[in-house]
Amino acid sequence: DIRMTQSPSSLSASVGDRVTITCRASQNIGDHLNWYQQKPGKAPKLLIYGASSLQSGVPSGFSGSGSGTDFTLTISSLQPEDFATYYCQQSFSTTWTFGQGTKVEI
Amino acid sequence: QLHLQESGPGLVTPSETLSLTCTVSGGSVSSSSYYWVWIRQPPGMGLEWIGSFYSSGSTYYNPSLKSRVTTSVDTSKNQFSLKLSSVTAADTALYFCASARFTGGSPSWGQGILVTVSS
Repeated sequence: DIRMTQSPSSLSASVGDRVTITCRASQNIGDHLNWYQQKPGKAPKLLIYGASSLQSGVPSGFSGSGSGTDFTLTISSLQPEDFATYYCQQSFSTTWTFGQGTKVEI
Repeated sequence: QLHLQESGPGLVTPSETLSLTCTVSGGSVSSSSYYWVWIRQPPGMGLEWIGSFYSSGSTYYNPSLKSRVTTSVDTSKNQFSLKLSSVTAADTALYFCASARFTGGSPSWGQGILVTVSS
């Protein structure tokens, strides 16, 4: 299995802050990396696919970068609605794996 | 715009089989533009992929669940289903169905259904 490791597990930030979350794959996954946002009791929402492509309807303040084994999700200016848990997920393998999640708190 | 909705019992007895159905609208389960996935989330924990299946008939399952999982599709009802056998309390989770694109990511998810395993 491909293991996905996110850091940090949680972070505290304020509205307007720039936030960066990293995700590392245990092997080269090219650009087959997706990012999701999840709020309590809700389904995850796709933010970024293919490591850096912004999903339609997602604010431009979200961006993704990286390839191979190291990836980053950046929120340029944190908004109140951005406080949530973020997951990375690899789709390089037919057996998917998710990172453990990063909780962004006030 | 695809819409997915999970259905099934919210309570399952230990050692029995959990059965869930996902009804798709706005698209066809036979479409070659998507493939279909099941994902679960135990209370307070992260996301766990259960399995994927393709219109070609190919299926892939989480190795940790493979011996207990089966999936099927009913094209006449535009539904796909999950069965998880020999459940224990560890299978208590919020279960989601979703579509997945070959270009990457799952843009459409059901709202999720909480399944509790308890006697």
